[in-house]
Amino acid sequence: AQTVTQSQPEMSVQEAETVTLSCTYDTSENNYYLFWYKQPPSRQMILVIRQEAYKQQNATENRFSVNFQKAAKSFSLKISDSQLGDTAMYFCAFDDRWGKLIFGQGTTLQVKP
Amino acid sequence: DGGITQSPKYLFRKEGQNVTLSCEQNLNHDAMYWYRQDPGQGLRLIYYSQIVNDFQKGDIAEGYSVSREKKESFPLTVTSAQKNPTAFYLCASTSNQMPEAFFGQGTRLTVV
Repeated sequence: AQTVTQSQPEMSVQEAETVTLSCTYDTSENNYYLFWYKQPPSRQMILVIRQEAYKQQNATENRFSVNFQKAAKSFSLKISDSQLGDTAMYFCAFDDRWGKLIFGQGTTLQVKP
Repeated sequence: DGGITQSPKYLFRKEGQNVTLSCEQNLNHDAMYWYRQDPGQGLRLIYYSQIVNDFQKGDIAEGYSVSREKKESFPLTVTSAQKNPTAFYLCASTSNQMPEAFFGQGTRLTVV
């Protein structure tokens, strides 16, 4: 069975600095998708970034980028120039493309002024 | 506007009652999901459905039931067999063309 593990329950970063959130996963599939979602205090889930497993190039979206290591089954999220609005819970997610979308336990990120 | 609508936003259940949470989408998505989120915790998969009239158990299906009679609708029933139902419930959907999940606003269920 696929699993997603986020080993950092809580993290904090100073405004304008860079922070990296870790995620590892376990699967026997070769083709799949990985995602990072953000859940602010409103609890609305927001997609931050996605990565297709068949693509070697790491995905980037403005200040957000990933380090995808397929062999190591690692998928970390780097947030550059952190902003107060980045304060939220961040979830790593795995989609096996057979219908099962599973999430990690989440990392609560606090951006400090 | 296309999206996913969950209702109600807040729901209170008495001990021993069954309650049904609604999830409707107008995105023409094939797959739909139900997740449970406890305070400060991640999302745990309850049930998911890839096609009408078919669904599979997730990791914590005990005490829950679903139906998928229409593509647009995926209601979740929390039965009296679910001993600790107080939680935040999220519904999501995905399409084969775009793998990103779209989420509803959630339902907060409280046992009174």
